[in-house]
Amino acid sequence: DSGVTQTPKHLITATGQRVTLRCSPRSGDLSVYWYQQSLDQGLQFLIQYYNGEERAKGNILERFSAQQFPDLHSELNLSSLELGDSALYFCASSVRDSRSTGELFFGEGSRLTVL
Amino acid sequence: QKEVEQDPGPLSVPEGAIVSLNCTYSNSAFQYFMWYRQYSRKGPELLMYTYSSGNKEDGRFTAQVDKSSKYISLFIRDSQPSDSATYLCAMSPPNSKLTFGKGITLSVRP
Repeated sequence: DSGVTQTPKHLITATGQRVTLRCSPRSGDLSVYWYQQSLDQGLQFLIQYYNGEERAKGNILERFSAQQFPDLHSELNLSSLELGDSALYFCASSVRDSRSTGELFFGEGSRLTVL
Repeated sequence: QKEVEQDPGPLSVPEGAIVSLNCTYSNSAFQYFMWYRQYSRKGPELLMYTYSSGNKEDGRFTAQVDKSSKYISLFIRDSQPSDSATYLCAMSPPNSKLTFGKGITLSVRP
């Protein structure tokens, strides 16, 4: 158990809908990262927050947004969903921010299926 | 050219075999190199972490980095069915985000 909690584990929804994925980082970790994993693209970095502030942005679509709250949990919002958004979404946490390299601890992921 | 290329697999070996997993990269700024292991329906977990060129050993696992050739490898000795998983290489420059390979699925047959 990595200590990172993600909910929901599975989500099935329709095109055009909006969903919110939630992540609670390990106790003491200030950084939260969101990744998307699909068979053809592998693990793609979406966005990182450190202590409530956005620190780095990757291949995140404009239809997606995220935030980190004062209690350090994070939410990833996916809107106007398309079939191609079906994927595993992982949250990871670490003690440090992007200014140094440290181990990432991953949650078990949220599997999103868009029909 | 992708920043990180990983042999696509899948790979199936008999129990006890030596397994070699490889990644190449194009970004000379990469200084930190990692291998993550991901079991089915689980998140990736860090397996090996190395900074410099050369070999790092941890039990049955050896991570090898050749910065001059921009090539990293993970060797698994005496492979076990419990090693069956997807292995992802990951790397980063100092003070920057990790870039992952696409992963290779390994199956160790009893």
